[in-house]
Formats: sequence, structure tokens, C-alpha cells
Amino acid sequence: AQSVTQPDIHITVSEGASLELRCNYSYGATPYLFWYVQSPGQGLQLLLKYFSGDTLVQGIKGFEAEFKRSQSSFNLRKPSVHWSDAAEYFCAVGERDDKIIFGKGTRLHILP
Amino acid sequence: DTGVSQDPRHKITKRGQNVTFRCDPISEHNRLYWYRQTLGQGPEFLTYFQNEAQLEKSRLLSDRFSAERPKGSFSTLEIQRTEQGDSAMYLCASNTGSTYNEQFFGPGTRLTVL
Repeated sequence: AQSVTQPDIHITVSEGASLELRCNYSYGATPYLFWYVQSPGQGLQLLLKYFSGDTLVQGIKGFEAEFKRSQSSFNLRKPSVHWSDAAEYFCAVGERDDKIIFGKGTRLHILP
Repeated sequence: DTGVSQDPRHKITKRGQNVTFRCDPISEHNRLYWYRQTLGQGPEFLTYFQNEAQLEKSRLLSDRFSAERPKGSFSTLEIQRTEQGDSAMYLCASNTGSTYNEQFFGPGTRLTVL
């Protein structure tokens, strides 16, 4: 069965510092991978997605993610975080346009 | 704004009551999904529609839950005889059903069962 693991429940970084959020997936075939962000009171917003091709994917708001098949990982990165990046981040795996399986999320806290 | 909308945004009910939520997808989207998100968890798939046809239901969707999309546009999710364990955020998403197509999420309906 497909599954997604986000090992860090909370991450705290200082504003301006770099960020990496970890994600590991379990899926038999080539996965369709997503990162979503959820801010309080708002819906889930897609940051980026990977289906095939270049394993380094660029997304919105300066985020990028790298697909590593050998490690079954799809980590999210940002070189310099802003206070507005504080939110909950979800890694997810999907089967084409079918249902999406989400991880439990990582809550990002930003120190001023 | 032509995004996915959900109504109501918040619902407080007493145990045993029935509740109904509505989702209006983006107008040209023929696929509509329902998810449930409990505190500290990621969203969990409940069911989805291709136009008016309900194509898949999760085991999470007990007999007390029913979803409809009668005209292939908006959808309703009804929970009968609510239980405290039903307290959660109910999320709706839609897309065109094309391969690789992302899902666009609404703001959710937060249900509290007392």
C-alpha cells in the first residue's frame, strides 16, 4: 500500500535560514509526488509536484524539492525562509489523478 | 474568486444529530474529492466523483456517511447520527480528471460534535 512518512512533526528555523523538510514514500511504481502547504484557516495549496523528468522540481514561493528514487525520498527545501512561511507542510503521493495519500505533516515555526 | 468553496465553514452539533456539508468545485472540473483531516494528521481520502458518478469510497466512509453529486456540479456530504469521533475538518477538492492534474482544495468545513 502507498504511504508517506514525514519524520519531523515540528521544525523550527530562524528567519533567513535555510530549510529542509523530509519526506519518504512507499509506492510500487513511479510515484506522483506533491508538497502542499496549509496555513491556519486556509485550504491546502500546492507548492510543487513531480511526475517524471528532472528530479529537481521548482515550485512556488521559492521552494524546490528533489526526488531521489534510491532513497524513496522527496525532500522540500528553501534557501532562506520568511516569517510568512510558518505553516503546516504535507508531502503526498498520488496515483495519477486519483486519491492522494498524505503524510501527517510537518509544522514549521519561524524564529524572528 | 472561482476557487473551490465549502459551506458551512464551521458546524457545531450535538451527538446523534445529522449534518450536511456542501462543496462547490471549480466550474469546469468534473472530478470532486472529499477528505477528512483530524487534529495532527494529514487529510485522509473519503470518496470521489467523476461527474455525478461516485467512483470510489474509502473504508473510512461508514454507513453513516453518504455523499452525492446529483447533477455533476456541487456535492453534499451527509453524516447521520454524528459521533464525537466525527469531529474533524472535512475538505473538498476538485480537478479536471486529466492525468497529472493537481487537486484544488477548498477551505474546509470544521465539524465539532459535542
